[in-house]
Amino acid sequence: KAGVTQTPRYLIKTRGQQVTLSCSPISGHRSVSWYQQTPGQGLQFLFEYFSETQRNKGNFPGRFSGRQFSNSRSEMNVSTLELGDSALYLCASSPGQVVTTYEQYFGPGTRLTVT
Amino acid sequence: DAKTTQPPSMDCAEGRAANLPCNHSTISGNEYVYWYRQIHSQGPQYIIHGLKNNETNEMASLIITEDRKSSTLILPHATLRDTAVYYCIVRVAASGAGSYQLTFGKGTKLSVIP
Repeated sequence: KAGVTQTPRYLIKTRGQQVTLSCSPISGHRSVSWYQQTPGQGLQFLFEYFSETQRNKGNFPGRFSGRQFSNSRSEMNVSTLELGDSALYLCASSPGQVVTTYEQYFGPGTRLTVT
Repeated sequence: DAKTTQPPSMDCAEGRAANLPCNHSTISGNEYVYWYRQIHSQGPQYIIHGLKNNETNEMASLIITEDRKSSTLILPHATLRDTAVYYCIVRVAASGAGSYQLTFGKGTKLSVIP
């Protein structure tokens, strides 16, 4: 079974621009979570989507948004990029609506650099 | 979810058992202990989880003390590929509703030495 894929793997953007990152979950998985990882703050939860609906949201400004499509693929968008948005963005895939275990499957991440 | 405390770093000789401790003294009765690891520049990888009994799988063993205030992840024969940051996470038992959100601490950086 193919794992979680994220595209692109690396991205360089300029302050003020916006960016869209993509995540394809494991086949059959319907929940997608997004995390941001920085050296200073570590791994932080951004949001989770299930069945095209945001189910949970972390403590990030409104510049960070996401969506999920009917095929469970998800995108996250960051508008008006700031230098502090430079980070590894990780996507995690989980089976479904009923949460029976917190075993999640992470993708390799997208490394975003804002200059 | 209960807070966890882990040593920032540990070394282990290749081929020896790596024992990674985690303190979770405020854990409550319905909270599980989860372990993940993150090899450099990759996404975290699930290792194992448990409630009160010791657990073992093909990757590791999890030993939880009787009072559940601490646990130890054991990698029986550490290899260079086990060099990673190991995260201990305490999470309330899944109840069906809710979300998969995980809260990661700073973890323990394990270096396996040849």
